[in-house]
Amino acid sequence: NAGVMQNPRHLVRRRGQEARLRCSPMKGHSHVYWYRQLPEEGLKFMVYLQKENIIDESGMPKERFSAEFPKEGPSILRIQQVVRGDSAAYFCASSPVLAGVNEQYFGPGTRLTVT
Amino acid sequence: QKEVEQNSGPLSVPEGAIASLNCTYSDRGSQSFFWYRQYSGKSPELIMSIYSNGDKEDGRFTAQLNKASQYVSLLIRDSQPSDSATYLCAVKNPFGNSGGSNYKLTFGKGTLLTVNP
Repeated sequence: NAGVMQNPRHLVRRRGQEARLRCSPMKGHSHVYWYRQLPEEGLKFMVYLQKENIIDESGMPKERFSAEFPKEGPSILRIQQVVRGDSAAYFCASSPVLAGVNEQYFGPGTRLTVT
Repeated sequence: QKEVEQNSGPLSVPEGAIASLNCTYSDRGSQSFFWYRQYSGKSPELIMSIYSNGDKEDGRFTAQLNKASQYVSLLIRDSQPSDSATYLCAVKNPFGNSGGSNYKLTFGKGTLLTVNP
């Protein structure tokens, strides 16, 4: 039973480039969450998606960041025109249908470094 | 006021001892509570969930919840060096204050636990 998959595991981008982070939820899970962990800080919620719907994006920066979870394929977190402050670990989590009470399981993360 | 507070530690205990990790939260609407373990450079791993007041035991781990005091704790019995990690407390308010569904987890900054052989 495969867990949450994320790729790439490490991503290096120069300032101004775009970063695309992918997440495939666990089998049977239809809810995806993205979190960011900055150095020396806790995990912060960014966005919650279901297939073809953004449910809650209250944690997303207003500019340069976007997320999608298409009908087919993985969820994608896109960061345009990256800056050094975007360097962080980005984690995807998934949960089954009853997201109100069920646990979230995390993928291995993508560590983004902006040079 | 921070939403979820944990002592940052480090908490150091000898092997075989009981490690006690504490967490307080500010949102009285929180209904689900979780403990995650995160090894350095790795992703959070769910180790316990608790939804009702009282104790919940799973192997060497016991989670305790007191909603009236807005307090949740994790006890690790017979601590092992392999338990050395950062322990993250997370809470969920399924209704939130956004006027709709709100299933996000709010995390504390974590407590670093070191178990000395």
